[in-house]
Amino acid sequence: GEDVEQSLFLSVREGDSSVINCTYTDSSSTYLYWYKQEPGAGLQLLTYIFSNMDIKQDQRLTVLLNKKDKHLSLRIADTQTGDSAIYFCAESDGGTYKYIFGTGTRLKVLA
Amino acid sequence: DVKVTQSSRYLVKRTGEKVFLECVQDMDHENMFWYRQDPGLGLRLIYFSYDVKMKEKGDIPEGYSVSREKKERFSLILESASTNQTSMYLCASKGPWETQYFGPGTRLLVL
Repeated sequence: GEDVEQSLFLSVREGDSSVINCTYTDSSSTYLYWYKQEPGAGLQLLTYIFSNMDIKQDQRLTVLLNKKDKHLSLRIADTQTGDSAIYFCAESDGGTYKYIFGTGTRLKVLA
Repeated sequence: DVKVTQSSRYLVKRTGEKVFLECVQDMDHENMFWYRQDPGLGLRLIYFSYDVKMKEKGDIPEGYSVSREKKERFSLILESASTNQTSMYLCASKGPWETQYFGPGTRLLVL
């Protein structure tokens, strides 16, 4: 079945760039998303990208999509302590109600 | 801004109790979802609803039911709570471009 995989942990120093990676298996994915979850809270939509795009930038966030390798990444420039959270990658094919989520990457930003 | 609210942030219930989790969205979205989130398992879909009184089972519907009497409100019901239903429950509604907006979550402990 469809799967979305992420590494579990990432640690960076404040001010550095963070890159969180995700791979997915569903070749019919139309939309790919990044969500942020702070402790004890729900998921906050950060950004999304259509499968016909390679790159999307939104302030400090850059999403790169390599559709051939089914690889998605989220780059956070100038990472701050407030960016410490769990980041979820997700995909949907747009035709059903099914969203596949990764298990999340816990980002720790060291001061 | 889309707002999705959940009736409780924390709940403690006893085994065998009937539990109601309420979710309300204010953006007139047609599609709403209930997930549970467990460590290492990511988000798993319990039920979704694509219209008033319409519902579909997700990946793990056993032990749960749902109710959607009004468009803005989607309720998750645990008919007879069990300890293995201790979890974080997240409600979401679907906006444009297939994006999902999540509520803050309800952390349920079943004793």
